[in-house]
Amino acid sequence: NAGVMQNPRHLVRRRGQEARLRCSPMKGHSHVYWYRQLPEEGLKFMVYLQKENIIDESGMPKERFSAEFPKEGPSILRIQQVVRGDSAAYFCASSPGTILETQYFGPGTRLLVL
Amino acid sequence: DQQVKQNSPSLSVQEGRISILNCDYTNSMFDYFLWYKKYPAEGPTFLISISSIKDKNEDGRFTVFLNKSAKHLSLHIVPSQPGDSAVYFCAASPSPDNAGNMLTFGGGTRLMVKP
Repeated sequence: NAGVMQNPRHLVRRRGQEARLRCSPMKGHSHVYWYRQLPEEGLKFMVYLQKENIIDESGMPKERFSAEFPKEGPSILRIQQVVRGDSAAYFCASSPGTILETQYFGPGTRLLVL
Repeated sequence: DQQVKQNSPSLSVQEGRISILNCDYTNSMFDYFLWYKKYPAEGPTFLISISSIKDKNEDGRFTVFLNKSAKHLSLHIVPSQPGDSAVYFCAASPSPDNAGNMLTFGGGTRLMVKP
């Protein structure tokens, strides 16, 4: 059973471009979470999704950021018109339910905005 | 406003000795606490947890202690091994069954275990 997969692992964008981060949850997991880790900080919750539904996006910036988890395919975190402050590691986690210990994290995507 | 704080950014310990990682929290609504371990270029992996109804939970070489009145918890690793070298994150939540939106992480402590 493959773990949570994220791609790309590293992404470089210039200011104003769009960044698309993908997350394939573990098989059988229907809950997906996105976290952001700024340099020298802990992870911060961004959004929680189930298939085709955004359950909680209270941690996501109101502008430029969006997330989806379609019926088929990976979950996508999209950042439009990136700025230097968006440079961070973005981690996706998936779980079969809402029990915290069952959240498995992917390896992360490191976004660098030049 | 950091609700979960790990005041030591790094800790160096000799192999075989005890490693003690500390974590403080401010939100009295937190009732469930977890420790995660993170290697470079990997995501965090769950290590051990504790509910506020307990003051200690043990799993092999890892023990977590909770002092609810002091809003303080600690992770003890004994004996420490070089493979334990990683960044350790403390996290807190109002409950163990949660949608993830209230999982609040500390800033992490980098543990280095020297052979």
